[in-house]
Amino acid sequence: AQSVTQLDSQVPVFEEAPVELRCNYSSSVSVYLFWYVQYPNQGLQLLLKYLSGSTLVKGINGFEAEFNKSQTSFHLRKPSVHISDTAEYFCAVSGSLGDDKIIFGKGTRLHILP
Amino acid sequence: GAVVSQHPSRVICKSGTSVKIECRSLDFQATTMFWYRQFPKQSLMLMATSNEGSKATYEQGVEKDKFLINHASLTLSTLTVTSAHPEDSSFYICSARGQRGNQPQHFGDGTRLSIL
Repeated sequence: AQSVTQLDSQVPVFEEAPVELRCNYSSSVSVYLFWYVQYPNQGLQLLLKYLSGSTLVKGINGFEAEFNKSQTSFHLRKPSVHISDTAEYFCAVSGSLGDDKIIFGKGTRLHILP
Repeated sequence: GAVVSQHPSRVICKSGTSVKIECRSLDFQATTMFWYRQFPKQSLMLMATSNEGSKATYEQGVEKDKFLINHASLTLSTLTVTSAHPEDSSFYICSARGQRGNQPQHFGDGTRLSIL
């Protein structure tokens, strides 16, 4: 079984500053990793995913994440945040074999300060 | 990109009534659909997984007689909350996936259910 830990429930960041949202996972098998964003009262939108290959994954809205197998991490980064990035961010993991379900972390609220 | 439509977006009803939520994949065939429940300021909890034409697989602790799931076609799945009570009030989100393997899930915009 897989599990995901998002260490920070809330991250305040000044506008135009860089941000990193942390995510660690555990699994006994190889995994796929995802970051989703949720705006208030909406569903989830996929930001990026790691399936295989390059460990640095670039997604939408200027976000990127790096898969680190030795540290079992998949931290999300953006070099310069905008007020529109205010949202809840979920890290998620699934097994890479068959139709494994996706397990979500508890989420990190990114709060952009003016 | 892939679009999943969820309807209704918000519903308020009296205790004891049944509520049906629809989840449609608009531009792809969804062989698998997922239903999640999200409590305020918490993560998504998977309730059940449904594959087209077969019975849904429910997660531990989810009452299958309470939350009826039907996935009769490749573009539509429904969740019916039967005899709803105030504790069933929540944000319900569906997602759909087209193919096996590494295809991502595409999420609907969710349904805010409020039971009075």
